[in-house]
Amino acid sequence: LAKTTQPISMDSYEGQEVNITCSHNNIATNDYITWYQQFPSQGPRFIIQGYKTKVTNEVASLFIPADRKSSTLSLPRVSLSDTAVYYCLGRGFQKLVFGTGTRLLVSP
Amino acid sequence: NAGVTQTPKFRILKIGQSMTLQCTQDMNHNYMYWYRQDPGMGLKLIYYSVGAGITDKGEVPNGYNVSRSTTEDFPLRLELAAPSQTSVYFCASSYGEGQDAGELFFGEGSRLTVL
Repeated sequence: LAKTTQPISMDSYEGQEVNITCSHNNIATNDYITWYQQFPSQGPRFIIQGYKTKVTNEVASLFIPADRKSSTLSLPRVSLSDTAVYYCLGRGFQKLVFGTGTRLLVSP
Repeated sequence: NAGVTQTPKFRILKIGQSMTLQCTQDMNHNYMYWYRQDPGMGLKLIYYSVGAGITDKGEVPNGYNVSRSTTEDFPLRLELAAPSQTSVYFCASSYGEGQDAGELFFGEGSRLTVL
């Protein structure tokens, strides 16, 4: 089961780029790396998924090095509405166990 | 599509009472999950199912039971409610295979208080 480690919290200002790194040392060969965003009183929402190298969508980029032992979620030009908890999901074949998440606070 | 639907949204129980949290999905997903989230904390996996008739324990299964008689429904049963089960419960589903396996679709949550 891929156990993940993330920073507990991060602070940023509007307009800055934010990079959140997740460590997943024992990720399995077939596992994909996924990131979720959660606002208070809501269920997590899928942001992005990747296997290796770089993936980009309309809200974020995901960088995964060749050894796949870590991944970095990049949020370009954050706004106040990006204040949320971000989870890197370690997927152990069938079990989907969430880590502690990173609480991002974006200030004006 | 309604996605993942949970009922009830809110419930107050007395210690020792029992209840069932309902979860249904209309996406024909094989995999379904129950999580609990205590205030200010992350999500803990309670039980999961990889298909009708198949369930397995997650990280924190004690005090709960599940069943999966159909692909659509995955109810969570709380027996003998305790204050420690006060939490927000989230049901989720996913296709469960290949590169789509990791994307979970969540319900809106059920807030349970045990007094």
